[in-house]
Amino acid sequence: GENVEQHPSTLSVQEGDSAVIKCTYSDSASNYFPWYKQELGKRPQLIIDIRSNVGEKKDQRIAVTLNKTAKHFSLHITETQPEDSAVYFCAASRGSNYKLTFGKGTLLTVNP
Amino acid sequence: SQTIHQWPATLVQPVGSPLSLECTVEGTSNPNLYWYRQAAGRGLQLLFYSVGIGQISSEVPQNLSASRPQDRQFILSSKKLLLSDSGFYLCAWSVGLDRASSPLHFGNGTRLTVT
Repeated sequence: GENVEQHPSTLSVQEGDSAVIKCTYSDSASNYFPWYKQELGKRPQLIIDIRSNVGEKKDQRIAVTLNKTAKHFSLHITETQPEDSAVYFCAASRGSNYKLTFGKGTLLTVNP
Repeated sequence: SQTIHQWPATLVQPVGSPLSLECTVEGTSNPNLYWYRQAAGRGLQLLFYSVGIGQISSEVPQNLSASRPQDRQFILSSKKLLLSDSGFYLCAWSVGLDRASSPLHFGNGTRLTVT
């Protein structure tokens, strides 16, 4: 089955700096890659996703890049703010089996 | 618009007692439904998923079971809880597209403590 590795497990940045979280996946048939943000005690919420026919997608301060050849994808957050502090999860899916496989999460702390 | 309801929000149960968590989705038909567990505030472990009424796929062997008695209702059960069943249980749904992926939308979760 699919295996998703996520790094780093914790990340601390100063407000205004950029943050990058990286994930690798094992199943070359995976074609859908969402990112979720989970604030303490709350549910994970989708922040951005990308499909395998696209190399990059951007939404305001958030961007995701995908390298299908290397089987890795990354989340980039620019101009970080304290409210960006949360656990971020990457995930991968091949579609036909209806399942998302999640990485173990990255705890991002943005220091004011 | 679609909404997902999950209850209860918190639950404290003794070891050996039964469990029933319920999840319902509104505003969509034939959704894919999922139960996840999150232990120690981090990783999301898929427990069960369902692509239709009465169709349940189990991801990990354990003393939990799931049922889907109606199109938009998903129930997680146990006959006898173990201490290791403590965690944050999340119900989720996605659009039931054939052979294509769509985003997961999570409920607010149930924090279960087994004492």
